[in-house]
Amino acid sequence: LAKTTQPISMDSYEGQEVNITCSHNNIATNDYITWYQQFPSQGPRFIIQGYKTKVTNEVASLFIPADRKSSTLSLPRVSLSDTAVYYCLVVKGSDYKLSFGAGTTVTVRA
Amino acid sequence: GAVVSQHPSWVICKSGTSVKIECRSLDFQATTMFWYRQFPKQSLMLMATSNEGSKATYEQGVEKDKFLINHASLTLSTLTVTSAHPEDSSFYICSAGGTSGSNEQFFGPGTRLTVL
Repeated sequence: LAKTTQPISMDSYEGQEVNITCSHNNIATNDYITWYQQFPSQGPRFIIQGYKTKVTNEVASLFIPADRKSSTLSLPRVSLSDTAVYYCLVVKGSDYKLSFGAGTTVTVRA
Repeated sequence: GAVVSQHPSWVICKSGTSVKIECRSLDFQATTMFWYRQFPKQSLMLMATSNEGSKATYEQGVEKDKFLINHASLTLSTLTVTSAHPEDSSFYICSAGGTSGSNEQFFGPGTRLTVL
């Protein structure tokens, strides 16, 4: 599984857009980029997954450049309840096994 | 989305005792479940892959005789921490998925184990 690198922490304020960039230089052809969110003392929750270009759902957007060596998770207009740890993972298309890195702790302030 | 439950949500036990944690997929069948451990302020560490009807596959460094995994049905996997010690105190989380052709994993709420 490709190793990922993302910032340890990010601070933001309510209503702002938060962008978290993840590096995955060794991503393979059949790998997908997946993001999970985890609140304290809870299991992680799937946010979004993409292969290339842009993916958007009701929670976030995921931007993936053509070389796929990085990706950016965009959280629009964050609120205090978006304070959590966000994990970027590279997942093989046919595999369910996940390898979690350190994650990015996002703190949203009023 | 699919729901995964864990029981108990927290447990406190004495050193030397064994503790069983259950992981259930409530509205889907899961031939494969995963068990993770998470220490405070750290990331999730995959412990083992639980396979229905067969032996679990353990990650390197995880003692299979200490962390017994049983996946007796398509909706239930259990993790038993045998002869627990204070260093086994951690947050244990299971996941299941592979529904509708997606590789999205659904995580349980976790079990907080404290060994005195």
